[in-house]
Amino acid sequence: DQQVKQNSPSLSVQEGRISILNCDYTNSMFDYFLWYKKYPAEGPTFLISISSIKDKNEDGRFTVFLNKSAKHLSLHIVPSQPGDSAVYFCAANAIDLSSGGGADGLTFGKGTHLIIQP
Amino acid sequence: EAQVTQNPRYLITVTGKKLTVTCSQNMNHEYMSWYRQDPGLGLRQIYYSMNVEVTDKGDVPEGYKVSRKEKRNFPLILESPSPNQTSLYFCASSLSSNSPLHFGNGTRLTVT
Repeated sequence: DQQVKQNSPSLSVQEGRISILNCDYTNSMFDYFLWYKKYPAEGPTFLISISSIKDKNEDGRFTVFLNKSAKHLSLHIVPSQPGDSAVYFCAANAIDLSSGGGADGLTFGKGTHLIIQP
Repeated sequence: EAQVTQNPRYLITVTGKKLTVTCSQNMNHEYMSWYRQDPGLGLRQIYYSMNVEVTDKGDVPEGYKVSRKEKRNFPLILESPSPNQTSLYFCASSLSSNSPLHFGNGTRLTVT
């Protein structure tokens, strides 16, 4: 059962426009969400995160929105630039109360390949 | 430079021949983890470690072993590799299990 879903395998956006990447989750215990960006032949790099106590977090051109009731988050990139072309992974974490509060690791979505067209 | 270093970057081996992929981090991170990336499946966690001598299974641990004898190193061991373990492997570390992960550059393993 896939707990973190990125339903768009790829997305093509024109340079300068807004890119919106979506992510849905099913586990109501998830309370910390992250976006990672991955270029070919490199490991994923952390982009931005949001805690469940917030509904928005902004860092420069990147904004993450969280809708807890809908179990949905999105990453907005504006304006989109050619260097933003990469695979974006959504990830979520849950506090494992049975182990004394330590989380047991991130659950990743399958990724969305963002292509920025000039 | 703060980094997670995996070796080797590429490895081709045969079924049944034991191998180890090393992972080392220089950030004094407590939490370390191994993932595999497969087409259409994204990143799946194999094993993780909260601290020295503390390891636990992730989502796809079958066929793998790990050890955490010291804080900086977290090797991934395949005792008897099989072709279905052909994949791209990533090691990652973070300050705690609730902090953003830092990933290595990956190890592409092919088992024939």
